[in-house]
Amino acid sequence: DQQVKQNSPSLSVQEGRISILNCDYTNSMFDYFLWYKKYPAEGPTFLISISSIKDKNEDGRFTVFLNKSAKHLSLHIVPSQPGDSAVYFCATIWELTGGGNTLTFGTGTQLKVEL
Amino acid sequence: GAVVSQHPSRVICKSGTSVKIECRSLDFQATTMFWYRQFPKQSLMLMATSNEGSKATYEQGVEKDKFLINHASLTLSTLTVTSAHPEDSSFYICSARDAGGSGNQPQHFGDGTRLSIL
Repeated sequence: DQQVKQNSPSLSVQEGRISILNCDYTNSMFDYFLWYKKYPAEGPTFLISISSIKDKNEDGRFTVFLNKSAKHLSLHIVPSQPGDSAVYFCATIWELTGGGNTLTFGTGTQLKVEL
Repeated sequence: GAVVSQHPSRVICKSGTSVKIECRSLDFQATTMFWYRQFPKQSLMLMATSNEGSKATYEQGVEKDKFLINHASLTLSTLTVTSAHPEDSSFYICSARDAGGSGNQPQHFGDGTRLSIL
């Protein structure tokens, strides 16, 4: 059962415009969210995170918004650049049965920034 | 920043071969490393949690005798796919979290290993 969902498998945006990547989750107990960026044949790279005590976190061109009541978060990239073309995963902290925690990922959205 | 090195990046081998993948944290100590698997167009799925000095914890549905994990030091975890078959072909990625960090500290990922079993 996919507890973190990214319903758009792909997104195409023109250079300079805003890219908005969306993510929905099902478990209201999730309280920390992360966005990762992944290029082909590489591992995911951490981009930005947000705690559930906030509704917005900004880092340069990247802003993450969290709507707890809707169980929805989004990543805004502005202005979008060709180098932003990659797969973006949202993730949340998942408590492991044996203790500790790891990440559970969404299915990813392929962003293509066109010239 | 923190770097996780994963080797090899690509393996092509015959069915029945055992394949070992290494995951190293280069500039930090990791008491816990994680092994993920990704099928095409799907999410990264956690396979197992590798704990330094103790047995790995496997997620439901992952065969521990098939995917052997060893975490012999604070900087190295290995995943061995034993007697690999074509259905084991996938993208395997490890990650590690700095032992000195908080529970919410982001995991750092290796670049993954593309395993193709003929």
